[in-house]
Amino acid sequence: NAGVTQTPKFQVLKTGQSMTLQCAQDMNHNSMYWYRQDPGMGLRLIYYSASEGTTDKGEVPNGYNVSRLNKREFSLRLESAAPSQTSVYFCASSEGTGKIFGPGTRLTVL
Amino acid sequence: AQSVTQLGSHVSVSEGALVLLRCNYSSSVPPYLFWYVQYPNQGLQLLLKYTSAATLVKGINGFEAEFKKSETSFHLTKPSAHMSDAAEYFCAVSEGGATNKLIFGTGTLLAVQP
Repeated sequence: NAGVTQTPKFQVLKTGQSMTLQCAQDMNHNSMYWYRQDPGMGLRLIYYSASEGTTDKGEVPNGYNVSRLNKREFSLRLESAAPSQTSVYFCASSEGTGKIFGPGTRLTVL
Repeated sequence: AQSVTQLGSHVSVSEGALVLLRCNYSSSVPPYLFWYVQYPNQGLQLLLKYTSAATLVKGINGFEAEFKKSETSFHLTKPSAHMSDAAEYFCAVSEGGATNKLIFGTGTLLAVQP
C-alpha cells in the first residue's frame, strides 16, 4: 500500500515548455486534488476531482489542465510553463474527511 | 467563503515547554477543521481533525486541539515540546460534502530550542 505517489520528484523547465505531473493513489478513494505550495501562502487548490470522470476548478486554475484518467490517476498539465508556476505541487486523495498527501513535485520554471 | 488565519508565521519554544499554535477560522456552515504537519522536504501529514463530535480532539504525537465556536478558534497545543516537533504546521477548514475542498492557512513554522 503505497498511498499517494507523485512523479517526478523534481523538474526544471524553460518558459514555454510543457509537462505533465503524474499522481496515483491505491486506496480506492473517489476524490483527488492538486495543490500548489508557495512560501508564505500555504497550500492553494488548483483543481480537484470529486469522482472518476469529473473535474472542477479550485482557487488558482489558470495555466493548468487536469485529467482524471481513471479512479487511481489524476494528472496535472502545464501547457506553457511560466516562471510564476515555480512551486511545489502536491497531489492528495480522500474518502470522507481528511486527505492523504503525496510527497510533492518541486518544479522550477526558468 | 471560508478562510483560515494562523497567527504567527514563526513560533520558537524551548524543549519541554508548552506548544501553542493559533488558528482562527471563518465559515458560513459548521466547519470541519484540520491540523497538518509538514517536515522538511516532505508532504503533509494529518495530525488531527474536528468533525463536529467532541470539541477536544486528540491527535498523533501528543498534540490536541480544542474547537471553540464562540471564538471561532481551533488552536493546537502540546504540553511538552520535543526536538522532533520542529516542522511547519498548517490549519485547514472544509465544508465537507462531496467536494471536501480544504482551505489552508499560511502555516506556522515551529522551532524547538534545546
